[in-house]
Order: sequence, then structure tokens, then C-alpha cells
Amino acid sequence: DIQMTQSPSTLSASVGDRVTITCRASQNINTWLAWYQQKPGKAPKLLIYKAFSLESGVPSRFSGSGSGTEFTLTISSLQPDDFATYYCQQYYSYVTFGQGTKVEFK
Amino acid sequence: QVQLQESGPGLVKPSQTLSLICTVSGDSVSSGTHYWSWIRQPAGRGLEWIGRIYIDGVTNYNPSLKSRVTVSVDTSNNQFSLKLSSVTAADTAVYYCARESPITAAVVDWGQGTLVTVSS
Repeated sequence: DIQMTQSPSTLSASVGDRVTITCRASQNINTWLAWYQQKPGKAPKLLIYKAFSLESGVPSRFSGSGSGTEFTLTISSLQPDDFATYYCQQYYSYVTFGQGTKVEFK
Repeated sequence: QVQLQESGPGLVKPSQTLSLICTVSGDSVSSGTHYWSWIRQPAGRGLEWIGRIYIDGVTNYNPSLKSRVTVSVDTSNNQFSLKLSSVTAADTAVYYCARESPITAAVVDWGQGTLVTVSS
């Protein structure tokens, strides 16, 4: 099984901050990685697919990078609507999610 | 626009079988262009992929759940279903049905989720 490890688990930030979340895979997954945003009581929403492709309708302040085993999700200027939990997900072998990173108010 | 809606009992007794149905609108479960999946999330915890079904009824399952899971499709009603046997309290979670795109390699559409509690 491919394990996905996110860091940090919790991130405290302010509006306007640049935020970076890291996701590491237990083996090479090329660029078969997606990022999701989830708000309480709601289903996750796809942000990024294939490591760096922005899903239609997602603000350009979100970006993804990386390949192989290390990936990052960056929010260039945190907005009030961005306080949520973020998950990475590998698609190289079936589907596995990271444990999540909660972005909270500092 | 694709919509997915989960339905089924919200309470299941330990050792019994959890059964859920996902009704799809806006796409056909037999189209072959997407995969149809189940994902769950225990309260306050992360997401766990359970399994999927796609063209010609091919299935893939999470190895940790494989012995207890069956995903099937009902093309006449444009639905797919989940059965999870021998449930315990650890199976209590919000269960989502979802549509995966093998092109984008991601889960592109989700149902709203349904809470299933395992308790006597």
C-alpha cells in the first residue's frame, strides 16, 4: 500500500499569508497526486489534479508542485474562505489520502 | 452537471451488513468514462477510499477492507451500491459516493455523504 503523509497536521495563519502544505508518498507516484479542500459538514472539493493542474473554477492563488515522492500545495495569499482542512491523494495505485492539514486562524 | 445521492439505513447493528445505494444523475454509470466509488470518513478523522466499480463491472477494493466489501452497479436504475459485511463500531462514519476521473486521476464529484452508525 502507498502511504501519504502530510505536514503539518495543523497550521495557524492570518489572512494574506502565504501558506505551504507538504505531502510525502511512501513510494514514487510520478505526478499522480491531487489536492482537496474540505469544510465542516461538506464533501471535499477538488483543487489540484496531476500534481499541478488547477481544477476549473478554483482561484489561481492555489498552486501545486512536486513529483515522485514530495509534493506541495501553496496558497499565495490566504483568504477568509480558505480556512479549511486540506487533503492530498495519490492515484498511482488505487486511492490513498493523506491524514489532512487543518488551516486555522492564528 | 453530475449529482450523486446516497441512501440507506443510518443505523446498523454490529456483525450485520451495511448497505448503501448511490443514485446518479447527469451521467450514466455504464458510460465507461468514469469510475464509481465509495469513500468514508469517521467523525473528526481523514478520508478512506473503500472501492470502485467501472466498465463491465470491474471492481477494485481497498486491501484493508477487501474481504468485507462488495461494490455493484444497477444500470437500469443508474445506481451503484456498497455492501460492507461484519461491521463493528469502527465502521461508523460518513459514507460518500463519488465519481472518479481516470483522466484527471482524481475524485471529481461527490455526494453529500450519509452518516452510518454501527450500534446495538
